[in-house]
Amino acid sequence: AQSVTQPDIHITVSEGASLELRCNYSYGATPYLFWYVQSPGQGLQLLLKYFSGDTLVQGIKGFEAEFKRSQSSFNLRKPSVHWSDAAEYFCAVDGGSQGNLIFGKGTKLSVKP
Amino acid sequence: DTEVTQTPKHLVMGMTNKKSLKCEQHMGHRAMYWYKQKAKKPPELMFVYSYEKLSINESVPSRFSPECPNSSLLNLHLHALQPEDSALYLCASSTEPGNTIYFGEGSWLTVV
Repeated sequence: AQSVTQPDIHITVSEGASLELRCNYSYGATPYLFWYVQSPGQGLQLLLKYFSGDTLVQGIKGFEAEFKRSQSSFNLRKPSVHWSDAAEYFCAVDGGSQGNLIFGKGTKLSVKP
Repeated sequence: DTEVTQTPKHLVMGMTNKKSLKCEQHMGHRAMYWYKQKAKKPPELMFVYSYEKLSINESVPSRFSPECPNSSLLNLHLHALQPEDSALYLCASSTEPGNTIYFGEGSWLTVV
């Protein structure tokens, strides 16, 4: 069965520092991978996605993610974090054709001034 | 434009009430979804509609009844809910099942 692991429940970084959020997936074939962000009390906003091709994908708000098949990982990065990036980040995999997203448990990002 | 609109934003209902959550998209998407998100948990799929037909029901209790009147609208009818059903209900859509899914802002449901 497909699964997604986000090892870090909560991460705190200083504003201006770099960020990497980890995501590992379990799926037999090439997965469709996504990162979503959720601000408190809000819905989910798509940051970026990987379907195929270039393993380094660019997203909105200055985020990027790298797909590494050998490590079953799809880590999210940002070179310089802004206070407005504080939110919950979810990695997700869609391994089927029906649109059933399987989410990780999420990583809460706090930003120190 | 990737807008999925949900109403109401907040709903409080008693356990004997009947209410509905509504979702609308005008992007021409042919797949629509209901997800449920409990506090501090990730979203979990409830239903998938593909071309206005129910294609996935993730063993959801019958007190939740989805309806897709047309390709732009998706409803979730609620009846005889329990307090543990209190959650954020997220509607989403995609061009086709399996393509990128775009979420609405959600409807916060509290069952008292």
